[in-house]
Amino acid sequence: EAGVTQFPSHSVIEKGQTVTLRCDPISGHDNLYWYRRVMGKEIKFLLHFVKESKQDESGMPNNRFLAERTGGTYSTLKVQPAELEDSGVYFCASSLLRGKDTEAFFGQGTRLTVV
Amino acid sequence: DAKTTQPPSMDCAEGRAANLPCNHSTISGNEYVYWYRQIHSQGPQYIIHGLKNNETNEMASLIITEDRKSSTLILPHATLRDTAVYYCIVRLLTSGSRLTFGEGTQLTVNP
Repeated sequence: EAGVTQFPSHSVIEKGQTVTLRCDPISGHDNLYWYRRVMGKEIKFLLHFVKESKQDESGMPNNRFLAERTGGTYSTLKVQPAELEDSGVYFCASSLLRGKDTEAFFGQGTRLTVV
Repeated sequence: DAKTTQPPSMDCAEGRAANLPCNHSTISGNEYVYWYRQIHSQGPQYIIHGLKNNETNEMASLIITEDRKSSTLILPHATLRDTAVYYCIVRLLTSGSRLTFGEGTQLTVNP
């Protein structure tokens, strides 16, 4: 069974450019989350989808960040325009909507570097 | 989510048991204790969770005190590949509840 897949694994962009990160959750997982770790800080929650709907986006830092999950399958996280402080590792996770074992499975992350 | 307190780092000899403590004195009655770990350059990995009874799976054991204010994650025979940051997280067992990561414990398993 394929795990959570994230693309790209690394991205280096210049300040002011746009970057789009993609996450493919485990098949059948309706919950999808985005987290990030910026340099020297803890892993922080960004937002949570249930299928195609945003359930909680309270962790999104500002309106330069836009997450979508059209069709309730894969998700994208766009940063536009990117700033230096956006550098970090962005993790995606997914879990079942119902059931006893609802632990989240994480992808390998996308390392974003804004220069 | 209740706040947790963990030591910043621990060392363990390969083959020995690693006992990682966690304090969660403000945990509420319907919150579970979860453990995740992050091996360098990988995404966080689920290890185990429990409410009040001790739990064991193929990876580890979780011992929760009777008052539920603290817990210990036990890796019975640590290997070099267990070197990672271990996170103790308290959360509700509701589908979709977020994970609140603290600073965790850097466990280093030495040969």
